[in-house]
Amino acid sequence: DAKTTQPTSMDCAEGRAANLPCNHSTISGNEYVYWYRQIHSQGPQYIIHGLKNNETNEMASLIITEDRKSSTLILPHATLRDTAVYYCIVRVFGAQKLVFGQGTRLTINP
Amino acid sequence: GAGVSQTPSNKVTEKGKYVELRCDPISGHTALYWYRQSLGQGPEFLIYFQGTGAADDSGLPNDRFFAVRPEGSVSTLKIQRTERGDSAVYLCASSLMGQGDNEQFFGPGTRLTVL
Repeated sequence: DAKTTQPTSMDCAEGRAANLPCNHSTISGNEYVYWYRQIHSQGPQYIIHGLKNNETNEMASLIITEDRKSSTLILPHATLRDTAVYYCIVRVFGAQKLVFGQGTRLTINP
Repeated sequence: GAGVSQTPSNKVTEKGKYVELRCDPISGHTALYWYRQSLGQGPEFLIYFQGTGAADDSGLPNDRFFAVRPEGSVSTLKIQRTERGDSAVYLCASSLMGQGDNEQFFGPGTRLTVL
């Protein structure tokens, strides 16, 4: 699986959009981009995934650049409950395991 | 419906002892995964079951670690001769059919402390 690079930490004001970047410059054509988050003392939670098109669900939007070498997870109106570690994961379709990096610790401030 | 549950939530043991950690996946999920998370790190894959069989155990660190899923539902992670370095949160996840595109649902984890 391709390696991902994320900032170690980020801050965002409550009510604003949180934009979390991820670099995956060695991604290959059959690899998807997944995002999970982990709130303190809980297991990771799936957020969203995509291959090359932008994706949106009730939790977030995923913007993947045209060359697929980077992506951005957008939480449109961050709340205090969005404070968590966010993991960007690149995964071959059909592969079972998730390979987590260190993630980005996002803190939402009141 | 109920999510993935793990018991116990906390386990404290002494070096050299044997421990068992239990995972109850979401009903109907055929795929089950174990991960280990050390302090400040992301989860690390240990083993994956499809049904009753271990389809990928490449993440088990050594032969002191073993996992079973005899009836294709509940799984038990077994650690023999525990060492202080085994201290971590052990996470279990399950997914529907184990297909690569299916999201994994994680339990809250078991925090293992080896003294």
